[in-house]
Amino acid sequence: GQQLNQSPQSMFIQEGEDVSMNCTSSSIFNTWLWYKQDPGEGPVLLIALYKAGELTSNGRLTAQFGITRKDSFLNISASIPSDVGIYFCAGHSYFTGGGNKLTFGTGTQLKVEL
Amino acid sequence: DTEVTQTPKHLVMGMTNKKSLKCEQHMGHRAMYWYKQKAKKPPELMFVYSYEKLSINESVPSRFSPECPNSSLLNLHLHALQPEDSALYLCASSQDDREYQPQHFGDGTRLSIL
Repeated sequence: GQQLNQSPQSMFIQEGEDVSMNCTSSSIFNTWLWYKQDPGEGPVLLIALYKAGELTSNGRLTAQFGITRKDSFLNISASIPSDVGIYFCAGHSYFTGGGNKLTFGTGTQLKVEL
Repeated sequence: DTEVTQTPKHLVMGMTNKKSLKCEQHMGHRAMYWYKQKAKKPPELMFVYSYEKLSINESVPSRFSPECPNSSLLNLHLHALQPEDSALYLCASSQDDREYQPQHFGDGTRLSIL
């Protein structure tokens, strides 16, 4: 089956630092999504990427859809304490007559030191 | 605040009990999803409903029975669950089941099986 590997698995950084994490897949996806999940809550959509090579920003977050359609990265600039959480990439597959399906990456846990 | 509402937030049940999880959205979305998430793991897709019809069942055991009574509601009926079924159950919705429609998640029901 499809697998999405994220790295690093966890990060412990200083407030104000920039953060970079990436996601690689054994299969091609047509859409990449990045979600953040806080403890006790559901994943919240951060950025959606629809085209190979696309670079998209949302405030301090920037994400890119890899040219091969098998990878994506997420950057967070000038991290703040509320950036703490688990970040998941997700690849979007579509099945004709069957609907769309998200496959999630293994997650990157971000911890910020004040 | 999430626009996908799940109830209850927490549920403890015995292995012989029958209970139901409920998910509601009023965004006019026509595709709804159930995911299971174990601690420190990514969400895993269970079921997809598109226009109130089941379109994907990821080989989920029959002790989990989904139901979509109308376009705003999604239920998950539980019967004779096992301790390994303890997890966070997440509901999500998207505008429809076409490609490129991001999924929006509720905060989940944390289920514990005694």
